[in-house]
Amino acid sequence: DVKVTQSSRYLVKRTGEKVFLECVQDMDHENMFWYRQDPGLGLRLIYFSYDVKMKEKGDIPEGYSVSREKKERFSLILESASTNQTSMYLCASSFTGAYGYTFGSGTRLTVV
Amino acid sequence: AQTVTQSQPEMSVQEAETVTLSCTYDTSENNYYLFWYKQPPSRQMILVIRQEAYKQQNATENRFSVNFQKAAKSFSLKISDSQLGDTAMYFCAFMIPHSGGGADGLTFGKGTHLIIQP
Repeated sequence: DVKVTQSSRYLVKRTGEKVFLECVQDMDHENMFWYRQDPGLGLRLIYFSYDVKMKEKGDIPEGYSVSREKKERFSLILESASTNQTSMYLCASSFTGAYGYTFGSGTRLTVV
Repeated sequence: AQTVTQSQPEMSVQEAETVTLSCTYDTSENNYYLFWYKQPPSRQMILVIRQEAYKQQNATENRFSVNFQKAAKSFSLKISDSQLGDTAMYFCAFMIPHSGGGADGLTFGKGTHLIIQP
């Protein structure tokens, strides 16, 4: 069964902390994505990567960075967490977007 | 920029009824893909159905079907014989294939919360 695995289901972090959200896929997909999901706003794209060490900004990259050192792993980094980054974070991967994405189960991050 | 609009924040129907969720989108492109995703309380996003814009025939997957009206830029989802397990958030999504290097990004609507009542 193919999978996208997000390392944490729930996280609570303090304001100002550096936060790492990890995502691993086992499907040999080139493309990986990080979305943020908030009630009433749907899913908004933060960053994506189409190859190892390649990354591009999405619609809301401010306050975030990413790392992709290996094909199967795509990390989202909050350099200095703030309360407005409290949200659900979804990771996804695809071989080609024409067939949609495979999503992870999400990480609910609370910044206090 | 592409936009996806889901005008129904929440819907509630009785079990076994048929329900239609609406979605409209805005693009000047001719080649694109449309998707409906389901997100149950478990939070796992599940692909329900996809439609290729160059295909006139509406996609169908078991109890799920779409009404794709390209000229009107409309892509509604019909769920027949609704079941309690259909209770979820439903997201409409849109994608334009990326030419050259890069990834095909999905643009999502804000979602419709569908509640199936027993």
